[in-house]
Amino acid sequence: EVQVVESGGDLVQPGGSLRLSCAASGFSISSSWMNWVRQAPGKGLEWVANINQDGSEKYYVDSVKGRFTISRDNAKNSLYLQMNSLRAEDTAVYYCASRFWFDPWGQGTLVTVSS
Amino acid sequence: DIQLTQSPSFLSASVGDRVTITCRASQGIASYLAWYQQKPGKAPKLLIYAASTLQSGVPSRFSGSGSGTEFTLTISSLQPEDFATYYCQQLNSYPRTFGQGTKVEIK
Repeated sequence: EVQVVESGGDLVQPGGSLRLSCAASGFSISSSWMNWVRQAPGKGLEWVANINQDGSEKYYVDSVKGRFTISRDNAKNSLYLQMNSLRAEDTAVYYCASRFWFDPWGQGTLVTVSS
Repeated sequence: DIQLTQSPSFLSASVGDRVTITCRASQGIASYLAWYQQKPGKAPKLLIYAASTLQSGVPSRFSGSGSGTEFTLTISSLQPEDFATYYCQQLNSYPRTFGQGTKVEIK
């Protein structure tokens, strides 16, 4: 079965850091663009970042540039999102979404930024 | 940034109804548009990509059309499992953007 599973979400204080992981199974991510998308409570979807197959291209939404870093380890079939200087407005469910056309998605991992 | 505007934002319909959702882009995006379905507490699911290509496993009552700046998602005969929120997304340029969503509820 083709699937991705996110982990690493937690409650963190403003200004803190967190690293999210996304483990893929049933397919190799080495041939795929990979994405992070977030959804604040009760809100719509917001694309956060993506990375190309070999990690040489990375793109971010303006609101996270300089604070978040996307990376991948093709040998481990995994995607990561390092989040620094977290703010209350970063509170959301974070989804990993595979390939150019965003399929499949994981179940999401909740990040709560609060004191 | 390319803005996507979905209409309507809320839709009340009955089982068996034909439903159409529109997504308008603030500038041309060729056919770089996808449609997703999201149910409460669940991850989004890809329904349509490249504006009109049905994702494998998605029922044929779903269809997509359009190019450039205007796109539509049509459900030919609404089923009970189709009550959900639908989002369009453009993949023509960065940042990737989503529409605000259309919630389809039971009439």
